[in-house]
Parts: sequence; structure tokens; C-alpha cells
Amino acid sequence: DQQVKQNSPSLSVQEGRISILNCDYTNSMFDYFLWYKKYPAEGPTFLISISSIKDKNEDGRFTVFLNKSAKHLSLHIVPSQPGDSAVYFCAASQYAGGTSYGKLTFGQGTILTVHP
Amino acid sequence: KAGVTQTPRYLIKTRGQQVTLSCSPISGHRSVSWYQQTPGQGLQFLFEYFSETQRNKGNFPGRFSGRQFSNSRSEMNVSTLELGDSALYLCASSRTGPSGYGYTFGSGTRLTVV
Repeated sequence: DQQVKQNSPSLSVQEGRISILNCDYTNSMFDYFLWYKKYPAEGPTFLISISSIKDKNEDGRFTVFLNKSAKHLSLHIVPSQPGDSAVYFCAASQYAGGTSYGKLTFGQGTILTVHP
Repeated sequence: KAGVTQTPRYLIKTRGQQVTLSCSPISGHRSVSWYQQTPGQGLQFLFEYFSETQRNKGNFPGRFSGRQFSNSRSEMNVSTLELGDSALYLCASSRTGPSGYGYTFGSGTRLTVV
């Protein structure tokens, strides 16, 4: 049962354009969502997060949108740069859940390639 | 400040052996979580420790175990290794552990079982 899904295994964009990475979830108990960037043989690096009480959060070139009714979130990167090329994971948790300490449920990841 | 340190970075073991991996969290972080990353299953939660107590556990067999010491350093152990245990093992630390908030991941230990 895959509770967090990233349906696009890969995405290719031109430098300077917008990258949009998508993520869907099924568990309505999730109330905190995160995006991580990962290079091979390294640990995930935190990018941006959003609480379920919000529908948008921005941090520089990165914006995350949350549509709770559709159980969908997306990460927008504007403008995209070649250094953004990596695997992007979305993750979800029950932030307030007393039995969910430490547990992030990850999507399968999307490989983003930004061409110069 | 120093990040999350995992040792060793690479490890090769034979089926049936056991292995211990180590994770030193960021100073002041008391929560340590462990994850397994494989090509087929992605990143999956193993367990979480806080103040030497396991507070949460994922769906892994009992061959996977862990512990946390008073200095917050954590170890995970896998006994009777199987080929399918080959993976990148990641730990993450945070101050308190509400899921995901303030998590910092280490670079991982690449375990290969032959």
C-alpha cells in the first residue's frame, strides 16, 4: 500500500524554466509534508515543508502547494538551474501523531534533469 | 556545526553474518530515526529512538534492531543477513522527533550482502 506516490519517475526541463514536481497521498491523517533533494550515495537534503493548515509555502526559488481536498502537493522551482538536477522525494508524516514519531512516508522519487 | 555522521560509509558482508551500523546525531539532537533505501522499495522507515527509548518501529522483521546510548548516538544491527538487505541505510536526527520537523539526514552506510 503506497500511501505517497510520485507518478513521474523523471522530468526534464530547460535552464531558466519552471520545474513542477507532483506528489499524491492517500492517508488523510498526514498533516505535514516535506520535499527532499537527494544525490546518489548521499542522504536526502531538506528543501521545504508545509503544514496541512496552509496551502502554500515559499522559500526562495522553491514553492510548495498543498491541495488537501485532492490530496495532492507540488513543488515548483523557478527558475530551474542545472545544479537542481537530482532526485526529489516528497514525504509525509503525522506531525501531531503520538505514535508516529520519526516516521516519514516517502514517495518513490522523481529524477529532475535541468539542461543548460 | 557538524552534521549527522554515519559509519562506516561502505560495508560488504556475507549472507548469514550480522552487521552493526553507527549514527552520531547533531549535537543537541535527541531523536534518531533509521531508514532503508532500496531501488525497489524506496525509502522505508525502520525505527526511531528518543532518549534511549524506541518510540516507533516500521514493518521490518526482528532481524533488524537498534539502540540509542545516553549521548544520543545510535546503532542499528541486522542479524542473519540476506541478499535483500543490501541497501543504503540512512539515519536522521532532530531535537525532539515530531515527524519530519527539523530532520537532518546523514550520508548513509551502503551495505552490500554477497
